[in-house]
Amino acid sequence: NAGVTQTPKFQVLKTGQSMTLQCAQDMNHNSMYWYRQDPGMGLRLIYYSASEGTTDKGEVPNGYNVSRLNKREFSLRLESAAPSQTSVYFCASRRQGGRGAFFGQGTRLTVV
Amino acid sequence: QQQVKQSPQSLIVQKGGISIINCAYENTAFDYFPWYQQFPGKGPALLIAIRPDVSEKKEGRFTISFNKSAKQFSLHIMDSQPGDSATYFCAASFEGGGADGLTFGKGTHLIIQP
Repeated sequence: NAGVTQTPKFQVLKTGQSMTLQCAQDMNHNSMYWYRQDPGMGLRLIYYSASEGTTDKGEVPNGYNVSRLNKREFSLRLESAAPSQTSVYFCASRRQGGRGAFFGQGTRLTVV
Repeated sequence: QQQVKQSPQSLIVQKGGISIINCAYENTAFDYFPWYQQFPGKGPALLIAIRPDVSEKKEGRFTISFNKSAKQFSLHIMDSQPGDSATYFCAASFEGGGADGLTFGKGTHLIIQP
């Protein structure tokens, strides 16, 4: 019973490099989310996908792109990483009609 | 506009004491209020949740108190233990609603001193 799986768990990038954070859920949930967590800032929504084929911006979308590849997978891409994107990234999912969300274990990203 | 306000930002409680974390919301469309517990290096995990048709929900040492008229809810941890030391997030949600359908408070860093 994997739940929400994120890869990688840790990553160090140089400024200007690109990378994709992967997220997959096996709970047949419709909605998926990407958050970033910074000290004192709580969880800030980057992008979300209410259903397969749809994506929308959240509170802090600049510098990121997303792809809802299918119902299971929702990826987050950094095209040109900046030190301000150093953070812990969490993927979450929520079922249709559900209220609470289920989180992955996070990706700790450092941009130097 | 911050839809869910959480306080305090940090809290230190002695072992055996009561930890209390408060949240206030603005959008009356919210109809589900979960609390999440997060340990260092882990993702937030659903701890306990309440719907607005009840004023209190208890699960073991954890209790949610809900005041619909004041648009406030709180988490009480009775007989707090060092293992309860974590970051706690309140949240508010309703079905659909796009990005606003699930909104988090900024978190409370709780330390239980032995």
